[in-house]
Amino acid sequence: SQTIHQWPATLVQPVGSPLSLECTVEGTSNPNLYWYRQAAGRGLQLLFYSVGIGQISSEVPQNLSASRPQDRQFILSSKKLLLSDSGFYLCAWRDIAFTGELFFGEGSRLTVL
Amino acid sequence: TQLLEQSPQFLSIQEGENLTVYCNSSSVFSSLQWYRQEPGEGPVLLVTVVTGGEVKKLKRLTFQFGDARKDSSLHITAAQPGDTGLYLCAGARAGGTSYGKLTFGQGTILTVHP
Repeated sequence: SQTIHQWPATLVQPVGSPLSLECTVEGTSNPNLYWYRQAAGRGLQLLFYSVGIGQISSEVPQNLSASRPQDRQFILSSKKLLLSDSGFYLCAWRDIAFTGELFFGEGSRLTVL
Repeated sequence: TQLLEQSPQFLSIQEGENLTVYCNSSSVFSSLQWYRQEPGEGPVLLVTVVTGGEVKKLKRLTFQFGDARKDSSLHITAAQPGDTGLYLCAGARAGGTSYGKLTFGQGTILTVHP
């Protein structure tokens, strides 16, 4: 069966520090991968998606970047964090079936102080 | 930009009551999904509806997709405290360049009091 795991679960970082959140998927090949951000337990905003190794598409201009160095690894990064980067970050992979359900990781809570 | 308007944003009810959450858009979606999320966890898929007019039931939960595939509703009968959580609707765009991207509603925070 497929699993998705992201870490760290919780992160407290000072303004101006770097960020690296990692996500890995097991049990599937060539998945579509996504990074979402969720503010205050509300709707999800799509940040990045990837359809293959080295292929990254950004949905919104921001202080963050994403990379996909391996087929089942997706990384969210920043060189210098801003206060506004605080939030709950979710990694997800897509079922290749027509209906396109997303399967989410456990989430990473980032607090920038 | 495709938007999904979800209402109500907050719902606080007593155990045993019925409730309905709505998800509306001016855009057509190829499918629509409903997710439930617990605090500090990722959303978990409840159901996917694909055909206009489709109705799906999951125990006390009934999901409906509008005939024009622009709207959906979630109805819970005899709500229980265990139903408490954030409910999210999400629409999948049609077309080869969509790459499975979902448009999410703003969410409905449901609290069921014992």
